[in-house]
Amino acid sequence: AQSVAQPEDQVNVAEGNPLTVKCTYSVSGNPYLFWYVQYPNRGLQFLLKYITGDNLVKGSYGFEAEFNKSQTSFHLKKPSALVSDSALYFCAVSPVYHGSGNTGKLIFGQGTTLQVKP
Amino acid sequence: EAGVAQSPRYKIIEKRQSVAFWCNPISGHATLYWYQQILGQGPKLLIQFQNNGVVDDSQLPKDRFSAERLKGVDSTLKIQPAKLEDSAVYLCASSSISGPAANEQFFGPGTRLTVL
Repeated sequence: AQSVAQPEDQVNVAEGNPLTVKCTYSVSGNPYLFWYVQYPNRGLQFLLKYITGDNLVKGSYGFEAEFNKSQTSFHLKKPSALVSDSALYFCAVSPVYHGSGNTGKLIFGQGTTLQVKP
Repeated sequence: EAGVAQSPRYKIIEKRQSVAFWCNPISGHATLYWYQQILGQGPKLLIQFQNNGVVDDSQLPKDRFSAERLKGVDSTLKIQPAKLEDSAVYLCASSSISGPAANEQFFGPGTRLTVL
């Protein structure tokens, strides 16, 4: 079965320190990979995506993600965390089907709460 | 550019009642999605439309849930009758099928449904 795992329910970091939010997936082929962020009482916001090319993808608000095909991972990173980065982060995968290509369907992980303390 | 609009934002109903949610996608977006997000979980796709046709409804509980996208723009999602386990946030998203933002889904604020 296709799935996305975010092994940490919560990540705590101090402001100014680097942060990593982990994501691994179990989807055959070469899926598209995404990160979304959800602030309280607001919809999910797109952060970044990987389709092909350079394994390090840069996105919004200084976030970046590193794709590792052999480990089927797509970890979210930021060199210096801000208190305002505190939110719920979702990793998502969009399968690419042989013949029909990518339909846009997203399979989400369960989410990781990032808490950045001053 | 206006975002994805959803209404109502909150709804409380008794079990076995019916409820409907409305979504207006970003103008020009051909693809529209409905997701169910249960507390503590990631969103789960219920149904995907491209224009007014269904692309994927494999996870839609068709005995009680229905959705339509007449004219390929607005969409409604209906639950009839509701069960306690339907309590969740229902998210609508839309995306374009071409251009630099293709495959990027833009989400509405969601409708929080509580079934008592």
